[in-house]
Amino acid sequence: AQTVTQSQPEMSVQEAETVTLSCTYDTSESNYYLFWYKQPPSRQMILVIRQEAYKQQNATENRFSVNFQKAAKSFSLKISDSQLGDTAMYFCAFMRANSGYALNFGKGTSLLVTP
Amino acid sequence: NAGVTQTPKFRVLKTGQSMTLLCAQDMNHEYMYWYRQDPGMGLRLIHYSVGEGTTAKGEVPDGYNVSRLKKQNFLLGLESAAPSQTSVYFCASSYRDRGNREQYFGPGTRLTVT
Repeated sequence: AQTVTQSQPEMSVQEAETVTLSCTYDTSESNYYLFWYKQPPSRQMILVIRQEAYKQQNATENRFSVNFQKAAKSFSLKISDSQLGDTAMYFCAFMRANSGYALNFGKGTSLLVTP
Repeated sequence: NAGVTQTPKFRVLKTGQSMTLLCAQDMNHEYMYWYRQDPGMGLRLIHYSVGEGTTAKGEVPDGYNVSRLKKQNFLLGLESAAPSQTSVYFCASSYRDRGNREQYFGPGTRLTVT
C-alpha cells in the first residue's frame, strides 16, 4: 500500500519570502505520478504541479517548483516570492495505477502567508 | 465548458435517510472518482469508475453505492445515512490517456448527518 506523509501540519511565511513544504511517500512501484494540490478556503482543489517519476528533471510552474528525490521517496514543494493568495491547504498526492489511477493524499499542510 | 459539477452543494440528512449525490463532467473523461474529506485528513477514495457501466471500490466504500450509467455522470448513493458519513464529498474525473493524468475536481458537497 502506498502512503503519503506530510510532516508539517502548519507553516507560516512572510510575503515575498520562500517556503518549502515537505512530502514523503512509500511505494513499491517504479513508475508513478506525484502531485501537489492547493485547497483555498473556497474548498476547490487546484492542481499546482505534477511530476512523473521517470523524469529526472524537477518540475517547475512559475513560482512553484519541486525537489523530487526518487531514491529517498521525497517530493517537496518550494514556493518562491510568496503571495497572500498562496494561503491555503496544500496536499501532496501519489497516483496509484492499481486503483484506476486514483490519488492517495497526505493529510495536508496549512500555509499562511502574512504581510 | 462547465468542467466537473456536483449537485447538491450542501445537504443535511437525518440518520437513516437516503440520498444521491450527482457528479457530471463535460470533458468526455473516461475515469471518474468519488472522494471524501474529513477534518485533518486528506481526501480518501470511496469508489471509482474506469468507464461507462463499470465501478470499483476504493479505500472507504462501506455505506456507499455508485453507478455510472452514462459516461458523463457518476452517482454516489447513501442508502441509510449515518453520522460517520458527515463529510465533504468531492468528485473528480480524468482522461484515460497515459500522457495526461491530471484529475479535475468538482466544487464539493458538504453533507451533514444528524
